[in-house]
Order: sequence, then structure tokens, then C-alpha cells
Amino acid sequence: RKEVEQDPGPFNVPEGATVAFNCTYSNSASQSFFWYRQDCRKEPKLLMSVYSSGNEDGRFTAQLNRASQYISLLIRDSKLSDSATYLCVVIAYNQGGKLIFGQGTELSVKP
Amino acid sequence: EAGVAQSPRYKIIEKRQSVAFWCNPISGHATLYWYQQILGQGPKLLIQFQNNGVVDDSQLPKDRFSAERLKGVDSTLKIQPAKLEDSAVYLCASSLDIQGTRGYTFGSGTRLTVV
Repeated sequence: RKEVEQDPGPFNVPEGATVAFNCTYSNSASQSFFWYRQDCRKEPKLLMSVYSSGNEDGRFTAQLNRASQYISLLIRDSKLSDSATYLCVVIAYNQGGKLIFGQGTELSVKP
Repeated sequence: EAGVAQSPRYKIIEKRQSVAFWCNPISGHATLYWYQQILGQGPKLLIQFQNNGVVDDSQLPKDRFSAERLKGVDSTLKIQPAKLEDSAVYLCASSLDIQGTRGYTFGSGTRLTVV
């Protein structure tokens, strides 16, 4: 079983749509959670951290369910510029603080 | 603040040849990581350094891959001999502390093609 698993993509949605990505992690000792965005042929960049209480940043909302070991990312009113691969990332400090990435979910927003 | 610098940007080699990648982390960042990202997959950690010591190299194929960070600053990753399946983007990242509590910064990566 992979340590971090994401919805297989790609997701193809029209502009203005709402899209949700799901992620599960296997290590119950995982302590920090993030969503990274990776544009084609670019390095991953931090999109947002994910907190237990849930958090929102503009059109983006992240949720964490520790009991189910589940993380989600919701994008509202999607824009063409949201087209990218979204990577779910966890850190388990009992594993030295390394970032453990999911395989990524590709999003393509069409006009 | 300058970012994480990597070179070369691209490299094409034949199988069984050797190749080396270089990374210069953000000044003052004690922790340095090398990740391998195969097309269509998420990055996978190869090795993690804290200053010039290795913290985790459990997923480094040590029969062909080696890495060093002699002075606790720059790092090199070497593959010798390369195989076709080593074709990937090699990403270097750094963080201020081992827990990454103040964030991680990635370099642009080196895209390796083995033919």
C-alpha cells in the first residue's frame, strides 16, 4: 500500500466548476499535511497547509480528517490558471521530517 | 532571497554512462533533500542530509547512486552507471530545520533522459 494515495486523474472541468480532490495516508503518525501545486515541467510549490479545523484560502478549501486519515482539497469557481497537478503531501516526524508525496492528480480547466 | 539552485537543467546520456547533478540550497538551510520524480508520479525521496550528515538514504539505490554534502552546503548526486529507468526529474529541496516547520523550497530540477 502506498503511503499517500490520491484520486487518479486527470480531471477535466469547465471554467467556473467546483472540483474536489481526495487523498488518504497510511501512517497514523503523520503530523503535518499540505497540498502542493506542480505546473508542467516546473517544481512543486506549496499551495496550502492543511489544518485539523479545516482552512480556506480564497477559492481553495482544505480539510483534514485524522480519524479517517483523509485529506481533501476543494477548488471553487475554477479558472484556466488552476490547470496543474495537485500533490497531496504528508510529513511524519517519526520518519525524519521528510515530505511524502502522493502521485498527484492532474486538473485541466477548459474554457 | 535566492532560491535553491540546480544544474544542469537538462541532461541526456546513454545507458551505462555516468552523470552528476549539483545543488546549492538556500543560504542557512541546514536540511537538504534529493527527490526523484518519474513522469506521472509524485516525487520520491532519495536522500536527506542534515548539515553534512545523512539522515535518511533508505530509498537510494546505493549500487549506482551516491550523494555527498561535504561542507554542509552544496550537494552533488551521482549516478554510475545509469539505466534507462533512471530517466526522471531530480529535484533538490532545502529547509531551515529538519522538521521542515518553516517550509521547504524546491529547485527547478534536472531533467535526465537516459537513452
